[in-house]
Amino acid sequence: ETGVTQSPTHLIKTRGQQVTLRCSSQSGHNTVSWYQQALGQGPQFIFQYYREEENGRGNFPPRFSGLQFPNYSSELNVNALELDDSALYLCASSHVAQGYNEQFFGPGTRLTVL
Amino acid sequence: DAKTTQPTSMDCAEGRAANLPCNHSTISGNEYVYWYRQIHSQGPQYIIHGLKNNETNEMASLIITEDRKSSTLILPHATLRDTAVYYCIARAISSGSARQLTFGSGTQLTVLP
Repeated sequence: ETGVTQSPTHLIKTRGQQVTLRCSSQSGHNTVSWYQQALGQGPQFIFQYYREEENGRGNFPPRFSGLQFPNYSSELNVNALELDDSALYLCASSHVAQGYNEQFFGPGTRLTVL
Repeated sequence: DAKTTQPTSMDCAEGRAANLPCNHSTISGNEYVYWYRQIHSQGPQYIIHGLKNNETNEMASLIITEDRKSSTLILPHATLRDTAVYYCIARAISSGSARQLTFGSGTQLTVLP
């Protein structure tokens, strides 16, 4: 059983650019969530995808968007990058089952916006 | 999700039990208590969850008070590798649709040699 993987590990962008982050869910999981973690803070929920559709969104602007593919892998896209977007971006997968849904996190992508 | 309150930091001697408290006085009847931890530069890791009964697994024990307003995560024999930020989360489980985790600031546990 493979765990959640994310790519790239690190990247550096400049303000105004666009970025795409990728996540492969744990085998058998059909739900993926994305979180943003600024330095020294807990992760903040961005959005969640279930069956290739957005299934909940946190307090993030529309320039944060995502996709989930038939194989349950996922992308997070951020347009018009701002300095405050510098953070660790975490992907978490889970399997929707009656009454229980533990989330498994990947190692994250460290994004630096200059 | 109910608000949770945790101490900012705690120390524990290696080999001793680490007892991490969490207050969730406004928890509702359908909300579980979840614990996750995050070792530096890694993604959060699920530890344990419970509703009202005490729970134990290979990683830890969870003690929930009878009124469910607080809980304690117990690491029975802390090791240096248990140094991490520990998050206590109150969350309802919805069937048919997973829900997000609402993380607070957590407790930085430092296990000392």
